[in-house]
Amino acid sequence: GAVVSQHPSRVICKSGTSVKIECRSLDFQATTMFWYRQFPKQSLMLMATSNEGSKATYEQGVEKDKFLINHASLTLSTLTVTSAHPEDSSFYICSARGRGQSYSYEQYFGPGTRLTVT
Amino acid sequence: QQPVQSPQAVILREGEDAVINCSSSKALYSVHWYRQKHGEAPVFLMILLKGGEQKGHEKISASFNEKKQQSSLYLTASQLSYSGTYFCGTSSGGSNYKLTFGKGTLLTVNP
Repeated sequence: GAVVSQHPSRVICKSGTSVKIECRSLDFQATTMFWYRQFPKQSLMLMATSNEGSKATYEQGVEKDKFLINHASLTLSTLTVTSAHPEDSSFYICSARGRGQSYSYEQYFGPGTRLTVT
Repeated sequence: QQPVQSPQAVILREGEDAVINCSSSKALYSVHWYRQKHGEAPVFLMILLKGGEQKGHEKISASFNEKKQQSSLYLTASQLSYSGTYFCGTSSGGSNYKLTFGKGTLLTVNP
């Protein structure tokens, strides 16, 4: 149980374009999903927290107009990187926390998306 | 505030033991441990909740001292598959239960 998928696993885009990353909880309902960014050999930095049906909460320093998050259902959240620039190149990982006793505290991570902006 | 992990890196021979520590300056509700291999997402190991508990499965266990706001991860009789970067994530509770991760401990197990 507690499987989270992410798509795509790798994406290369040109500077100025937008990229959408999907995060799905496959076998549980995710009340909350989190989006992280990780630079090489560094820790996981939380970008935003999203709850189904409500606006995402962004961490300090994260541009909400650049990183658009939509949590449309209990199993799907999307992150759109708008007008991407080379400095946005990173490993983006989502995690999900579910409802119910089994999944209420743990966060389960998706496999990540490697974004390269050229 | 980011929890502090120690050591930053450790090298073991197969079969040796290791301890990874995680400490916070804030009161904690829970501590979560993950292992991440290069280029992959973190894999959940275990969670320890407020109440000061110890948990374990197979040869990996952990303790949580909420008074000291510290947690330790114990790896016994290490295997090659244990290699990776270990992160602790801490939460002070709250409705969203978000985690703040330490900088990680790189564990290398050699034959």
